[in-house]
Amino acid sequence: AQSVTQLGSHVSVSEGALVLLRCNYSSSVPPYLFWYVQYPNQGLQLLLKYTSAATLVKGINDFEAEFKKSETSFHLTKPSAHMSDAAEYFCAVRAYSGAGSYQLTFGKGTKLSVIP
Amino acid sequence: GAVVSQHPSWVICKSGTSVKIECRSLDFQATTMFWYRQFPKQSLMLMATSNEGSKATYEQGVEKDKFLINHASLTLSTLTVTSAHPEDSSFYICSARVFRSEAYEQYFGPGTRLTVT
Repeated sequence: AQSVTQLGSHVSVSEGALVLLRCNYSSSVPPYLFWYVQYPNQGLQLLLKYTSAATLVKGINDFEAEFKKSETSFHLTKPSAHMSDAAEYFCAVRAYSGAGSYQLTFGKGTKLSVIP
Repeated sequence: GAVVSQHPSWVICKSGTSVKIECRSLDFQATTMFWYRQFPKQSLMLMATSNEGSKATYEQGVEKDKFLINHASLTLSTLTVTSAHPEDSSFYICSARVFRSEAYEQYFGPGTRLTVT
């Protein structure tokens, strides 16, 4: 079964500092991996996804993530944090659920706070 | 783009009543829609998967008689919480999936906040 683990339920960074949100996955097959952002009382917005092409994936708002098979990781980074980046971030893996169907399995989320 | 809407965005109901939440894909047809539940400060938990014209597939532990899902068309799925109780208070998020550009893409609605008093 596929799963993801997000290390750190809460991360605080200063405005302008590097953002690093960690995600490790477990999968018996080559995974498709995703990062989503959720602002308060809103749905999920896709930041980026890895679908077995380039290992370094660039997403919206200057976020990027690198797929490292040897470390089973897909950490999310951003060079310089903005106040508007404060939100909840979810890592997800696409899992096969049988009968030709797939579903997303989410990590527990990491809340990012940005300190002015 | 691909937009998924939910209605209502928030609802307060009394214990014992039923509440219907609509999920619509506005500019695409979705053969599959998903319903998630999110408790405060927690992740999304998949409740059920529905395919247009067929019965929904519920995840283990989700009561199908309590959470009725209807996927009547390629652009509309509804979730009805029957005989709601305070423990059903949660944030419900739907998601619609479409096959495009040789891959499945999944888009999420803005969520519905349900409060049962």
